[in-house]
Amino acid sequence: EVQLVESGGGLVQPGRSLRLSCTASGFTFGDYAMSWVRQAPGKGLEWVGFIRSKAYGGTTEYAASVKGRFTISRDDSKSIAYLQMNSLKTEDTAVYYCTRDGPYNDAFDIWGQGTMVTVSS
Amino acid sequence: QSVLTQPPSVSAAPGQKVTISCSGSSSNIGNNYVSWYQQLPGTAPKLLIYENNKRPSGIPDRFSGSKSGTSATLGITGLQTGDEADYYCGTWDSSLSVHWVFGGGTKLTVL
Repeated sequence: EVQLVESGGGLVQPGRSLRLSCTASGFTFGDYAMSWVRQAPGKGLEWVGFIRSKAYGGTTEYAASVKGRFTISRDDSKSIAYLQMNSLKTEDTAVYYCTRDGPYNDAFDIWGQGTMVTVSS
Repeated sequence: QSVLTQPPSVSAAPGQKVTISCSGSSSNIGNNYVSWYQQLPGTAPKLLIYENNKRPSGIPDRFSGSKSGTSATLGITGLQTGDEADYYCGTWDSSLSVHWVFGGGTKLTVL
């Protein structure tokens, strides 16, 4: 079964760091770009960023709201994508979803169940 | 304020048809494929439509998508109470840098 499972969420104080993990199974992880999408309580979906597959350079792109603070990386040997979040702000409070890009053009076809991150003092 | 504009809510009776619009610009919808996502209450989003009008395996043909110029539309026929959910459109945007954008979401109520 194709599956994504996020972990690492929790309560963190403003200004601190947190790292989320997304563990994939059921497909060849290294063949796909992976994205992170978040959803603040009661709000809509917001794209956070993505990492291309190694075949496309493994490079990253980020939303303006997190650029310079968040870093996405991947370990294809473990089938894990990471979201390193630094200098967290209260407005980063959200459910964070990991998604797979493709195999279709321009679509997120597989989503994890999400992990909640609460930034509060 | 989302880059892609959707109506906040739509409603219709069971068995009826509803459409949800998604309006953008040449930097996003006008030059890229549109996808649609369904988010049932308390669950993760699910891909409904990709490449403007194609359905992944397992999505019933009651769901359809179309695109014209800088706008896209999701159609749902034969409405069921189980279709009550939030629906989001999404696509790439290249106005300033490469990034993905979602619509603000539309809450569908099946009366």
